[in-house]
Amino acid sequence: GAGVSQSPSNKVTEKGKDVELRCDPISGHTALYWYRQSLGQGLEFLIYFQGNSAPDKSGLPSDRFSAERTGGSVSTLTIQRTQQEDSAVYLCASSLELAGGYEQYFGPGTRLTVT
Amino acid sequence: GENVEQHPSTLSVQEGDSAVIKCTYSDSASNYFPWYKQELGKRPQLIIDIRSNVGEKKDQRIAVTLNKTAKHFSLHITETQPEDSAVYFCAASLGFGNEKLTFGTGTRLTIIP
Repeated sequence: GAGVSQSPSNKVTEKGKDVELRCDPISGHTALYWYRQSLGQGLEFLIYFQGNSAPDKSGLPSDRFSAERTGGSVSTLTIQRTQQEDSAVYLCASSLELAGGYEQYFGPGTRLTVT
Repeated sequence: GENVEQHPSTLSVQEGDSAVIKCTYSDSASNYFPWYKQELGKRPQLIIDIRSNVGEKKDQRIAVTLNKTAKHFSLHITETQPEDSAVYFCAASLGFGNEKLTFGTGTRLTIIP
């Protein structure tokens, strides 16, 4: 079946503008994650949605970042008043919550450039 | 929170030789340890994972070992091939409804033909 998809693939925005990044998880996956990968760096956890539970927002770097997940499927990550340090690849992942089944499948990412 | 350290940051090995990448973690409650391979410009892909009730797991040329007492785990790639060249990331999570991954900083593996 289809994997995790993200849009747009690339986004260039001016400092101070707001951006929205979209993630479509694998159908039926109950958990959805957002990570950020800066150039040449590892992946940094941002936020995690699991079913109807309150999201784990512990990785969001500031209150300019927010995310929602509608209908338990599609998720949108919003960055308000973007700054140059927000430039990175934003990766979404989803997983199927089975007993012992933790594999996270990643999307292709959105490369955000703030000028 | 969890902290994962990964070494080395770069590794070059001759084709056919073995490569070993090591990670340590800080939270003794972590119980799931995946390894991801990321080729240039592509998404991370799971290559192998291990859970805390297992000490070693193998899948063809790839193996992972886990030492819970010492809080470290390692990736072993034998008979390396040019297509093994990539960046490898280790990660850890608590599991049991808290599956967010804490990643290491990555190892750039280069296989020399």
